[in-house]
Amino acid sequence: EAQVTQNPRYLITVTGKKLTVTCSQNMNHEYMSWYRQDPGLGLRQIYYSMNVEVTDKGDVPEGYKVSRKEKRNFPLILESPSPNQTSLYFCASSPLAGTYNEQFFGPGTRLTVL
Amino acid sequence: AQTVTQSQPEMSVQEAETVTLSCTYDTSESDYYLFWYKQPPSRQMILVIRQEAYKQQNATENRFSVNFQKAAKSFSLKISDSQLGDAAMYFCAYRGFRGNQFYFGTGTSLTVIP
Repeated sequence: EAQVTQNPRYLITVTGKKLTVTCSQNMNHEYMSWYRQDPGLGLRQIYYSMNVEVTDKGDVPEGYKVSRKEKRNFPLILESPSPNQTSLYFCASSPLAGTYNEQFFGPGTRLTVL
Repeated sequence: AQTVTQSQPEMSVQEAETVTLSCTYDTSESDYYLFWYKQPPSRQMILVIRQEAYKQQNATENRFSVNFQKAAKSFSLKISDSQLGDAAMYFCAYRGFRGNQFYFGTGTSLTVIP
């Protein structure tokens, strides 16, 4: 089954404790991206990657890091989480070329930083 | 940066009736892609419909159709014969032709009244 998986689905942590949210896709997509969703703000792009070893900042990259060492994986790293990073996070992937270039989303990760 | 505006935070519709959700966007590009995503209470992001800007014909997917007005930079979603399962948050999204960044609106929460 074609899918984007994220782990963990729920996470409660404390300020300053480094964490990683994993994202993996099995559709051989070049493009991967991370978003955060907050009430009244919609989805905002954190980072995106056009291919392996190619990453770039989205609209809200502060406090986050990413890496793309393999095509299928795109982890999101919070080196020192703060309460303002409490949010719902989505990973997504899509092909770069072709007609069908909508994004396929993971199930989301609910992060709470105390 | 491109912006996507959804001016209706909440909408409601009677079951079996028709409702239109509004979306406007700002861009200087001539080629791009537009999408409507549905987010039910499960939080999963589900593609509803997509439109390529170079296509003048409005996209249609069963009960869902769009009114794409390129000159006005407007991309509204019409839901016909509304069903209880249509109740969800709806997001309008923009992707440039080069495909690097996605931009989402703030969402419209749709309630379907039995």
